[in-house]
Amino acid sequence: QSVLTQPPSVSAAPGQKVTISCSGSSSNIGNDYVSWYQQLPGTAPKLLIYENNKRPSGIPDRFSGSKSGTSATLGITGLQTGDEADYYCGTWDSSLSAWVFGGGTKLTVL
Amino acid sequence: QVQLQESGPGLVKPSQTLSLTCTVSGGSISSGGYYWSWIRQHPGKGLEWIGYIYYSGSTYYNPSLKSRVTISVDTSKDQFFLKLSSVSAADTAVYYCARVFGTNWFNPWGQGTLVTVSS
Repeated sequence: QSVLTQPPSVSAAPGQKVTISCSGSSSNIGNDYVSWYQQLPGTAPKLLIYENNKRPSGIPDRFSGSKSGTSATLGITGLQTGDEADYYCGTWDSSLSAWVFGGGTKLTVL
Repeated sequence: QVQLQESGPGLVKPSQTLSLTCTVSGGSISSGGYYWSWIRQHPGKGLEWIGYIYYSGSTYYNPSLKSRVTISVDTSKDQFFLKLSSVSAADTAVYYCARVFGTNWFNPWGQGTLVTVSS
């Protein structure tokens, strides 16, 4: 059971938009920055979003992040089949004194 | 650009110590401002943070693994290391190393190395 709660799976058609939620508490999301990671099949995770809503160089603006209170959201617009991957949120938990990840969400582009 | 590469045995016997090395290229571990981390992923499961180290040697460990984990660094070789003692089948996982900005995000990641615990 992960400290951060993500839906196990989401799906949408190519070209559509999808959002992935990440729910936490005041000791983690409510208290620190959230980052998001994309893990394509058989590969290492890759940073998508940092400090809640910033994109590293090379990440297209189809990917966006937001945070409100103790929840964060990853948005992906203009879905492509190449976006099929597992997506993880993460942040520091001050109660646990540990970095925590969400359980991951599998995105299927139908 | 900075790249990380994990190395070490792919098979470890139960009760023994798992030892992995992460080699950093394209940058220096001593450059400051970054922590250096180990994360693992059990087969078909999510990500689990193991711990991280600053170039000075300061460490932070996941409380759930703290009694068995040691992370160390060799700045002269731009390498950092993971030791996990008393392993069991539950420690079978892909182990990743990554650079950490402040303590806020992980980028980049190594490609990962699968470690199987089995007799």
